[in-house]
Amino acid sequence: QVQLVQSGAEVKKPGSSVTVSCKTSGGTLDNYGVSWVRQAPGQGLEWMGGIVSIFGTTSDAQNFQDRVTITTDESTSTAYMELSSLTPEDTAVYYCAMGTRITMVRGISHYPFDYWGQGTLVTVSS
Amino acid sequence: EIVLTQSPGTLSLSPGERATLSCRASQSVSGSYLAWYQQKPGQAPRLLIYGASSRATGIPDRFSGSGSGTDFTLTISRLEPEDFAVYYCQQYGSSFTFGPGTKVDI
Repeated sequence: QVQLVQSGAEVKKPGSSVTVSCKTSGGTLDNYGVSWVRQAPGQGLEWMGGIVSIFGTTSDAQNFQDRVTITTDESTSTAYMELSSLTPEDTAVYYCAMGTRITMVRGISHYPFDYWGQGTLVTVSS
Repeated sequence: EIVLTQSPGTLSLSPGERATLSCRASQSVSGSYLAWYQQKPGQAPRLLIYGASSRATGIPDRFSGSGSGTDFTLTISRLEPEDFAVYYCQQYGSSFTFGPGTKVDI
């Protein structure tokens, strides 16, 4: 059974960066896709970006292209999401999500999100 | 970017009733790469349906998905008390996008 355990809540100042980690157990990152999704208070789900290590591919949502960096450390089965230039509008719960049912078509990865971390609250406030 | 629209925004039903949730895409979703998630307050989302109609592991058979192209449906045949939650559709055929959600409440 795959479990994803995320790092704890963060409080950040505007203009700074935050890194959230997501450690997997019961599975290995290199066979799966990992995405990051955020949810602002009372709002819906927003995909930020993802990585499929086995194919060496990363992709980011247009809204975050210049601000988000997603990486993995296979040695510790941990994925990381760094978001820079924070503003109060970045206050949200950030989730990592893993997809095990990956299909690759013409160089593009497709996967639903089978497993989710518990979420990490990031608060941006001066 | 494929935009997903869900209707209705809120569905008020009683236990035992049938729920029908709609998800419409702004363009065709390739490969029927359409998923449904359930989210309860304070919890992470849970995958219910993938590939438009395949139930995820451990999901009861009262949940079913259908549709193709731009129109998809999630049906809950008989609502159980634990089914009252927010439901999101997601397309993963062209990058990833979520719909705004449908709240199913009593």
